[in-house]
Amino acid sequence: DQQVKQNSPSLSVQEGRISILNCDYTNSMFDYFLWYKKYPAEGPTFLISISSIKDKNEDGRFTVFLNKSAKHLSLHIVPSQPGDSAVYFCAAITQGGSEKLVFGKGTKLTVNP
Amino acid sequence: SQTIHQWPATLVQPVGSPLSLECTVEGTSNPNLYWYRQAAGRGLQLLFYSVGIGQISSEVPQNLSASRPQDRQFILSSKKLLLSDSGFYLCACRNKVGQANTEAFFGQGTRLTVV
Repeated sequence: DQQVKQNSPSLSVQEGRISILNCDYTNSMFDYFLWYKKYPAEGPTFLISISSIKDKNEDGRFTVFLNKSAKHLSLHIVPSQPGDSAVYFCAAITQGGSEKLVFGKGTKLTVNP
Repeated sequence: SQTIHQWPATLVQPVGSPLSLECTVEGTSNPNLYWYRQAAGRGLQLLFYSVGIGQISSEVPQNLSASRPQDRQFILSSKKLLLSDSGFYLCACRNKVGQANTEAFFGQGTRLTVV
């Protein structure tokens, strides 16, 4: 049972434009969501997170939006840069509950110069 | 913030041989610890997680096991490796809610090839 879903395996955008990465979840008990960036043969690096009590969190070029009623979150990268090319993972957890941190299958972002 | 030490970086093992991957954490206490595997072209599959010493939750039935003998040590083991155990293994650490820095930090991973 895949509780966190990233339905787009890949995304290609032009440098300077907006990248929008989407993530859906099925477990309504999730209360904290995270986005990670990963390069091949390396561990993922944390980008940004959002608590379920918020609907938006912004950090520089990265903004995460949460729509709890739709069980959907998205990561916006503006403006996109070639160095942003990587695989992006969405993750979710129920804090103080099972503490199980579940990841989606990832979306490979390619930013073309 | 936490530092995750994971070794070795690469490992080539024959089918049927045992496995022991170790992960140690610095900079925190009583964290949640996780083992993930990324097979070629696949996502991050949660294998085991632990909320405390001796407490292990298994997510996927397989010939792997995990142990947490100390607060900041998490070990992934197998008695007999299968070809399907090949993959990129990642250890992660996350503080419990109420502590600072509740994003999960990852080690650099171990590339395991079973031949």
